[in-house]
Amino acid sequence: SAVISQKPSRDICQRGTSLTIQCQVDSQVTMMFWYRQQPGQSLTLIATANQGSEATYESGFVIDKFPISRPNLTFSTLTVSNMSPEDSSIYLCSVDDWDTEYYGYTFGSGTRLTVV
Amino acid sequence: GNSVTQMEGPVTLSEEAFLTINCTYTATGYPSLFWYVQYPGEGLQLLLKATKADDKGSNKGFEATYRKETTSFHLEKGSVQVSDSAVYFCALSYNQGGKLIFGQGTELSVKP
Repeated sequence: SAVISQKPSRDICQRGTSLTIQCQVDSQVTMMFWYRQQPGQSLTLIATANQGSEATYESGFVIDKFPISRPNLTFSTLTVSNMSPEDSSIYLCSVDDWDTEYYGYTFGSGTRLTVV
Repeated sequence: GNSVTQMEGPVTLSEEAFLTINCTYTATGYPSLFWYVQYPGEGLQLLLKATKADDKGSNKGFEATYRKETTSFHLEKGSVQVSDSAVYFCALSYNQGGKLIFGQGTELSVKP
């Protein structure tokens, strides 16, 4: 399966600032996904990112708040903009591994964000 | 719409006890079903999966069978260990590029 390096692993940020999370994959993948896991909750998809096209956002998430870049087939970034304490969550990237015998989705280790 | 429902936690068991975590889904067609595990302070790891009815996924002593007639994918393990303490997520997806739809997660705590 693909191996994902996600950075930073954790951060404490001031409200009103922005944080960019990076996701690097060791192989070329078509689809990359960004999820949010609020404290004690399940995972919710923020957006899907294809290389060379605009990200597709789920209901309740907007590009101005969560801009995403996907410059090539192995890399993506998610920015959490103008942060508030409600943005304190774990953010995870995931890739589509269905082209291999692994047949599923692989997740990064997550970025634990605390907004103060 | 499509959804996944898991039994509520936390579930607390003694070491070597039998584990069942219930998972049912609502979906049209034939989704693929997954169990993911999240150990404390870590990201998600795929535990097992099944892609069609009657398939049994298994890994690390855990098993789950895709039951189309009952729309279920219950997770079982015959003898849990302290190291199995984690949050377990049931999820479904339709196809390559389709998003994962997660259940709410079930926290398992295994005591020595």
